[in-house]
Amino acid sequence: AQSVAQPEDQVNVAEGNPLTVKCTYSVSGNPYLFWYVQYPNRGLQFLLKYITGDNLVKGSYGFEAEFNKSQTSFHLKKPSALVSDSALYFCAVRDGPLNFNKFYFGSGTKLNVKP
Amino acid sequence: ETGVTQTPRHLVMGMTNKKSLKCEQHLGHNAMYWYKQSAKKPLELMFVYSLEERVENNSVPSRFSPECPNSSHLFLHLHTLQPEDSALYLCASSQESVRGQKLFFGSGTQLSVL
Repeated sequence: AQSVAQPEDQVNVAEGNPLTVKCTYSVSGNPYLFWYVQYPNRGLQFLLKYITGDNLVKGSYGFEAEFNKSQTSFHLKKPSALVSDSALYFCAVRDGPLNFNKFYFGSGTKLNVKP
Repeated sequence: ETGVTQTPRHLVMGMTNKKSLKCEQHLGHNAMYWYKQSAKKPLELMFVYSLEERVENNSVPSRFSPECPNSSHLFLHLHTLQPEDSALYLCASSQESVRGQKLFFGSGTQLSVL
């Protein structure tokens, strides 16, 4: 069965420090991987995606994510956190074009960046 | 602004009420979705409409009834809900034919069932 795991409910980091939000996935075919961010009282906003190619994907607001096939992980990273990065982050996987409507989301990780 | 608009933003209803959630997308997409977001749980896919036909119904109770009159509009009709149905309901849209297509979400309707 397809699934996404975000092992941390919450991540705390000081402003200026690097941040990592973890995600592991399980999918039968080639994974299409996504990160979304949700600010309070808002819907989810797309950050970045991995479809194929370079394992390091760069996205919006200075975020990047590294696809690791052997570890089935797609961790979100940023070299220097900002207070404005504080939000809820969701990892999602889609199991390729044959089931292109099916997005499987994790339970979310709340990122707290303190000044 | 993502191009997906949901109304109302907040809704409080009793268990015997009937209400509807509305979603409109201005992106020219051909697929629309309803998701349920509960705290500390994965987003739950409820319904998918592709080219105005329902293609996915994830064992959602019949007290939730979707309607997609055209490719730009999606409704979720609610009746005799239970308190455990209180959640944030998110609408999303996508363009099916694009490989690696992503979802565009609305801001959601925060539903409270008393």
